[in-house]
This record gives sequence, structure tokens and C-alpha cells, in this order.
Amino acid sequence: DAKTTQPNSMESNEEEPVHLPCNHSTISGTDYIHWYRQLPSQGPEYVIHGLTSNVNNRMASLAIAEDRKSSTLILHRATLRDAAVYYCILRPTGTASKLTFGTGTRLQVTL
Amino acid sequence: KAGVTQTPRYLIKTRGQQVTLSCSPISGHRSVSWYQQTPGQGLQFLFEYFSETQRNKGNFPGRFSGRQFSNSRSEMNVSTLELGDSALYLCASSLGRGDNQPQHFGDGTRLSIL
Repeated sequence: DAKTTQPNSMESNEEEPVHLPCNHSTISGTDYIHWYRQLPSQGPEYVIHGLTSNVNNRMASLAIAEDRKSSTLILHRATLRDAAVYYCILRPTGTASKLTFGTGTRLQVTL
Repeated sequence: KAGVTQTPRYLIKTRGQQVTLSCSPISGHRSVSWYQQTPGQGLQFLFEYFSETQRNKGNFPGRFSGRQFSNSRSEMNVSTLELGDSALYLCASSLGRGDNQPQHFGDGTRLSIL
């Protein structure tokens, strides 16, 4: 599976936007970019995914670079409840349901 | 809509024993995957079941096994428990295989080996 690289940790103030980067320079043309997050004492939670175009949903936005070698998860207004570990994962389309998690980015949100 | 349910939430066993963990997927979901989470290794894929058949397996010893029933419920079994098997075991379900639908995780079973 292609590898992703994320910063170990980031901090944000509450109600400010947060941009979580992910590098995936070895991405293949059929790899989808998925983001999950894991809140304390919970299982991972799906956030968003995309292939080439930017994507928006009620939780976040996903900005994908034109060459697809990097992407950014955008939380428009961080709240204390967004404090979690965020994982950027590449999933080849049409293959097994297996997710390969990296170490993720631990996001701290402060008042 | 009920989420993924894992039972029990907590379990304490001793070395050498065996354990069975249960996972009830979201209604209508047919694919169930299992993961192990430890502080040292992070989240690691164990195996995936679809239509009662194991479709994919991670790099774990044969002591780790699983099965899926006709109603898509799944169980995983670990035999001859070792101290290193202490972990959070997570189950995830999705509508189908490899269809890029989101995977929905339960909150896990925390297994402690004494």
C-alpha cells in the first residue's frame, strides 16, 4: 500500500479553521484518499474521502492537490470535540475493505 | 440506526486461555473487518469477512481466527493468549467489499492479559 506522511501533532484554537496536511507522493491513479479520526476512548470515525476533486461534507472539506501527491483536511471551525487523532489513508479502489492506518496527527484544540 | 456493537467492552484473561469477541455490524452491512490497536503498533488489520468467507488476512499468527455468520455477525477468537495480545480490538462494517463506502467502527473490546 502507498504510504502517507502526517505531522505527529498540531494545535488549534477553538472556532478557528484547522488545516491538517497529508503527503502521499507514491499515490497511484486508483487510490482514494480517506480520512478517519479517533476520539478518545472511541473507535475510528469516517470523516471524508475523495479521488481527484475537492470534497465537502457536513464534517469537513478535503482539498486534493492537482498532482494528488498531497491533500489537506480542513475543519472550518474547530471545537473542543474535534480533538482527536486524524488518519490519512490511501485505499485502492475495487479492492478489499482493509484500511492501513499510519500514526496520524494528534489535534489539540484549546479555548 | 444502530451502530456497530461489540461485546464485551472489557475482558480480563490470563496467559494460555482463549477468548471470543463478538461484533454485530450495522443492519444491511455485509463486510466485517477486525483490527488490533496497541500503543506500540497502532491500528493493525487482522482480517476481513464477507459472505461468511475470510477475504483478506493481516500479518498475525494462526492463534487469531474469526468467522462470520449468515446474518453478517462476526466473532474473532484468540487462542493460547499471550501478554502481548493485550489490546483494543476493533470491528468495522461496511455495505460491501472494496466499494469505497465508509467503514463504521465499533468502540472496541479492551482485552487485558494477566
